[in-house]
Amino acid sequence: DVKVTQSSRYLVKRTGEKVFLECVQDMDHENMFWYRQDPGLGLRLIYFSYDVKMKEKGDIPEGYSVSREKKERFSLILESASTNQTSMYLCGCGDPILVPVEAFFGQGTRLTVV
Amino acid sequence: GESVGLHLPTLSVQEGDNSIINCAYSNSASDYFIWYKQESGKGPQFIIDIRSNMDKRQGQRVTVLLNKTVKHLSLQIAATQPGDSAVYFCAESGGSYIPTFGRGTSLIVHP
Repeated sequence: DVKVTQSSRYLVKRTGEKVFLECVQDMDHENMFWYRQDPGLGLRLIYFSYDVKMKEKGDIPEGYSVSREKKERFSLILESASTNQTSMYLCGCGDPILVPVEAFFGQGTRLTVV
Repeated sequence: GESVGLHLPTLSVQEGDNSIINCAYSNSASDYFIWYKQESGKGPQFIIDIRSNMDKRQGQRVTVLLNKTVKHLSLQIAATQPGDSAVYFCAESGGSYIPTFGRGTSLIVHP
């Protein structure tokens, strides 16, 4: 089974702090992605990556950056945390050559910015 | 700006009933349409997908219907059980295979 591990389930950070959310997958999948989930808004794509050292902006990249130095690890960075970044963050992975085109997700990190 | 805390559509059913969850999608060029289930405290999990050249696909207790004319997707769950209680998301996927999610529907199954 594919396993996606997010480093923290819960985080509380102060406004202005630099925040790192870490994600590791164990199935050698090409694609990795970060979403944020807010009530009634579903999952919104922040950034995704097709391969090591490459990244693409999703629908809501403002205030975020990412890093993919190794294939199995995809980090989300909040350069200067703000209260409107309080949310559930979900990391996932997938392999475009597999059928079905299933995305696998971690359990999420609930971030509170105070 | 965007609103937060929007009301999540909710479907309440009795155990044993059939459930139908609907979704409207926007991108006619999507290759795949997928349903995910998210239980409390967990990430979304894949249920079933359907390719854009199909109109129906069946799995175990679930059926997905695709109507491309009106850009509508539905998930039917037969003999709904309490363990089916969750938030259900439809998603569409194009060439990037990165899913675009809908807003979700909360399914509540009453014993």
